[in-house]
Amino acid sequence: GAGVSQSPSNKVTEKGKDVELRCDPISGHTALYWYRQSLGQGLEFLIYFQGNSAPDKSGLPSDRFSAERTGGSVSTLTIQRTQQEDSAVYLCASSLSPQGRTQYFGPGTRLTVL
Amino acid sequence: GESVGLHLPTLSVQEGDNSIINCAYSNSASDYFIWYKQESGKGPQFIIDIRSNMDKRQGQRVTVLLNKTVKHLSLQIAATQPGDSAVYFCAENSGYSTLTFGKGTMLLVSP
Repeated sequence: GAGVSQSPSNKVTEKGKDVELRCDPISGHTALYWYRQSLGQGLEFLIYFQGNSAPDKSGLPSDRFSAERTGGSVSTLTIQRTQQEDSAVYLCASSLSPQGRTQYFGPGTRLTVL
Repeated sequence: GESVGLHLPTLSVQEGDNSIINCAYSNSASDYFIWYKQESGKGPQFIIDIRSNMDKRQGQRVTVLLNKTVKHLSLQIAATQPGDSAVYFCAENSGYSTLTFGKGTMLLVSP
């Protein structure tokens, strides 16, 4: 079946602009996660959605970052007033379980802030 | 010079060798562990998982060993192939909402 998809695959933007990154999870997966991966680094947790519960936003690095999940499916990560340090690969994952067990990742969106 | 953050532990092996990638985890309450493989330009791909009530689990060409006493996890890859070249991450979960990932190890397989 179809895996997690993300769009765009690459995004180049200018400092100060807003960007939106999209994630389509695996159909039927109730949990959705956003991570950030800087060059040569591990994965940094950003935000977690589970069903209709309030999201866990504990990993968001600043109030310029926000995310929504509509209809329990598609999610959008928005970064406002982008900074050069926001340049990274943004990964989305989904899982069947609400407890973060096996997560399946999308290919990521590479964001470059000039 | 090398930039901070670009230095990943690297394991270089010859094709056909067995590879062992190690990971130390931090949370003694973690009860579920996963190994992921990440090829260049792709998202992490699930390889194998293990629960804390086990100390060994085998998959196809891969074996994961868990030593809870010293909080250590290892991934063994048998008969390593060039296609196994990637960065390998361990991840732990304690029943909380998400996984905590290790820094990763780069595996380089020479033909």
